[in-house]
Amino acid sequence: EDKVVQSPLSLVVHEGDTVTLNCSYEVTNFRSLLWYKQEKKAPTFLFMLTSSGIEKKSGRLSSILDKKELSSILNITATQTGDSAIYLCAVEYNNNDMRFGAGTRLTVKP
Amino acid sequence: DTEVTQTPKHLVMGMTNKKSLKCEQHMGHRAMYWYKQKAKKPPELMFVYSYEKLSINESVPSRFSPECPNSSLLNLHLHALQPEDSALYLCASSQERGTGQADTQYFGPGTRLTVL
Repeated sequence: EDKVVQSPLSLVVHEGDTVTLNCSYEVTNFRSLLWYKQEKKAPTFLFMLTSSGIEKKSGRLSSILDKKELSSILNITATQTGDSAIYLCAVEYNNNDMRFGAGTRLTVKP
Repeated sequence: DTEVTQTPKHLVMGMTNKKSLKCEQHMGHRAMYWYKQKAKKPPELMFVYSYEKLSINESVPSRFSPECPNSSLLNLHLHALQPEDSALYLCASSQERGTGQADTQYFGPGTRLTVL
């Protein structure tokens, strides 16, 4: 059965901490892995990863894919209260299938 | 059961057809969502139902008509669609705790719609 599992489900840190969010998957014919940030409404796109071992970076956020381990991590350094959100991982596979993980709820306290 | 199911998985329809997408969850969630996702773009919110009442309609054309027959089911009725409506239609549900924070949404696998 195709599945995407995120961990931890929730995380509470203080401003300035560094966090690592995990996403693992079991799908057939993997195509890409996407990370989203969800605040009030619809998710906003962060990264798309297709190649193993190549880090994608945007400001304090970075992400990397490990196809051998069937997983990806999302790192956030020097966290701020504005980083508080749900972080979703989604995997594209087969021809056009997509499956979302349950998300990690990150709370950054001042 | 932490699953949101959607049927059909794939749908091909002509511009004059009428079809419906279905979404079901048995987690006791009281909020349900329809999203439209085009290739390589994030999902765009279309509708939100809260306690079986439509609470958000993001200016979606009337050729898309949502319906929430009960707290476990959400339908999206389609009529006179255009080819540009071809996309992945995602359903999600959440607890609706009303805390002001985003509730964790559980996404279904989506229906891949192609309009010819």
